[in-house]
Amino acid sequence: AQSVAQPEDQVNVAEGNPLTVKCTYSVSGNPYLFWYVQYPNRGLQFLLKYITGDNLVKGSYGFEAEFNKSQTSFHLKKPSALVSDSALYFCAVRGQTGNTPLVFGKGTRLSVIA
Amino acid sequence: DAGVTQSPTHLIKTRGQQVTLRCSPKSGHDTVSWYQQALGQGPQFIFQYYEEEERQRGNFPDRFSGHQFPNYSSELNVNALLLGDSALYLCASSRGGLAGRGNEQFFGPGTRLTVL
Repeated sequence: AQSVAQPEDQVNVAEGNPLTVKCTYSVSGNPYLFWYVQYPNRGLQFLLKYITGDNLVKGSYGFEAEFNKSQTSFHLKKPSALVSDSALYFCAVRGQTGNTPLVFGKGTRLSVIA
Repeated sequence: DAGVTQSPTHLIKTRGQQVTLRCSPKSGHDTVSWYQQALGQGPQFIFQYYEEEERQRGNFPDRFSGHQFPNYSSELNVNALLLGDSALYLCASSRGGLAGRGNEQFFGPGTRLTVL
């Protein structure tokens, strides 16, 4: 069965510092991996995805993520955090084959402190 | 482009009642997925509709049913509501059904359902 683990419920970082939000996954075969962000009382917004190819994926708002197949990880990163980045971040995975749905992690709340 | 729209925004029902939630997908999208997001949790997949048929289903009872119309809009119906059905219900649209599994999904703002 597919699964996603986001080991940190909360990540605190100072504005201007780099940030990392961790994600590990389990899936049969090769994965499609996604990051979404959710602001209060809003739906999820797509940030970036890994399909194939380059392990470093660049996305919206300066975010990037690194796919590591051997560690089954897809950590979200940003070189310099902004207060406006404070939100709930979700990692999601689905297999590239088979009748498998998109599976989300429990989410990590990012708090960027000025 | 209006993006994904959902109605209503909020809904309060009592146990045993039935509810219908509605979703209009993003322009150009033909696939609609529904998710349940309980407080403090990630979205959980309910089902996906493509070409007016349910193509995938998550681990939800038959009380949860849906429909997709020729214009790609969709409804989620929940019968015999339970207290545990209280959650944010999210609709997401994408392209290509299962063949488009690598396509990102675009989410609506959700419907907040409270069951008393």
